[in-house]
Amino acid sequence: DQQVKQNSPSLSVQEGRISILNCDYTNSMFDYFLWYKKYPAEGPTFLISISSIKDKNEDGRFTVFLNKSAKHLSLHIVPSQPGDSAVYFCAASGIGGGSNYKLTFGKGTLLTVNP
Amino acid sequence: NAGVMQNPRHLVRRRGQEARLRCSPMKGHSHVYWYRQLPEEGLKFMVYLQKENIIDESGMPKERFSAEFPKEGPSILRIQQVVRGDSAAYFCASSPLGTIEQFFGPGTRLTVL
Repeated sequence: DQQVKQNSPSLSVQEGRISILNCDYTNSMFDYFLWYKKYPAEGPTFLISISSIKDKNEDGRFTVFLNKSAKHLSLHIVPSQPGDSAVYFCAASGIGGGSNYKLTFGKGTLLTVNP
Repeated sequence: NAGVMQNPRHLVRRRGQEARLRCSPMKGHSHVYWYRQLPEEGLKFMVYLQKENIIDESGMPKERFSAEFPKEGPSILRIQQVVRGDSAAYFCASSPLGTIEQFFGPGTRLTVL
């Protein structure tokens, strides 16, 4: 029962163009969403997050959009750089559980940025 | 300003042996989470601990797995009588009180022969 889904296992884009990574969720109790980036043999690195009370959050080249009614979020990277090549994980948390912010992850999307 | 530390980075065990994975959270972080990543999968929550307390172990297999976060020292994830299906990457994450963002260690890659 996958509560967080990343339906594209891989994505390839040209350097300088926009990368758009998508994520869908099914659990309406999720109210906080995060994106992590992961290189091989390393742990995930936090990139950007968004609360359900917002529909957009921006940090430099990274922007996350949230569509609550569609239970969909996306990560935009502009402009894409070769160093962005990594696996990107979407994760969700339900704030309502006291201090327990356990994360539910998607399976990840491998982004390749070609020079 | 050390990040989350995990050791060992790689661990090889034969079936039936015990595996002990250690995690030192970032300084000032009182919350520790353990996740497991199987090949071609995302990370799956296992257990959430605070100092001397297991808060949520809903993701832990019922048998052979245990976790602790003592008052002093690192958090330990212990797997007794390992089987081949336990082969995976085990990640520890920490966060300060009241923060949702978690910071991950480099992981321990367990291989069971």
